[in-house]
Amino acid sequence: NAGVMQNPRHLVRRRGQEARLRCSPMKGHSHVYWYRQLPEEGLKFMVYLQKENIIDESGMPKERFSAEFPKEGPSILRIQQVVRGDSAAYFCASSGMDPPDTQYFGPGTRLTVL
Amino acid sequence: GIQVEQSPPDLILQEGANSTLRCNFSDSVNNLQWFHQNPWGQLINLFYIPSGTKQNGRLSATTVATERYSLLYISSSQTTDSGVYFCAAYQAGGTSYGKLTFGQGTILTVHP
Repeated sequence: NAGVMQNPRHLVRRRGQEARLRCSPMKGHSHVYWYRQLPEEGLKFMVYLQKENIIDESGMPKERFSAEFPKEGPSILRIQQVVRGDSAAYFCASSGMDPPDTQYFGPGTRLTVL
Repeated sequence: GIQVEQSPPDLILQEGANSTLRCNFSDSVNNLQWFHQNPWGQLINLFYIPSGTKQNGRLSATTVATERYSLLYISSSQTTDSGVYFCAAYQAGGTSYGKLTFGQGTILTVHP
């Protein structure tokens, strides 16, 4: 049973470009969570989605960041007009049931903004 | 929101030694997970343990929910145990639905 998959594993963007991070949850899971790990701030929750719905986006920056989890295909975390401060590891997790079910994490996408 | 604190922040061991990592949380929890972040950055699930005790090989964990702490035990440590250990808690009755709050981690280094 494949785990949570994320791609790309590494992404380099120049300031002002867009970054798209993809996450495929574990088979049978319909709950997806995104977290960000900044070098000096630890792992922070960003957003929780179910198919076609954003359930909780309390951790998302108000501007430039958006997330979706369409009926078909992976979840996407989109960062518009990236800045150097967006450089971080972005992790996706999934669960098979409503919170507080176990969250299983993917390998992460390391975003570097030049 | 809930506060999660881990201790010690750093731990250096010789191979074969045992260790105990602690996680304190400030409020009631419905979920408590332990992770190992390996040197490649991957987060590996170790335990889902909102209460009680579990064991998996050389690792075991205990959560005392009423006293708001969890312990991770590593016995006969190996160099491959090196990395950062995180605990993460899901606050009972919290306003953020789905959010795991992570501690700052314990950096473990095991020398051969």
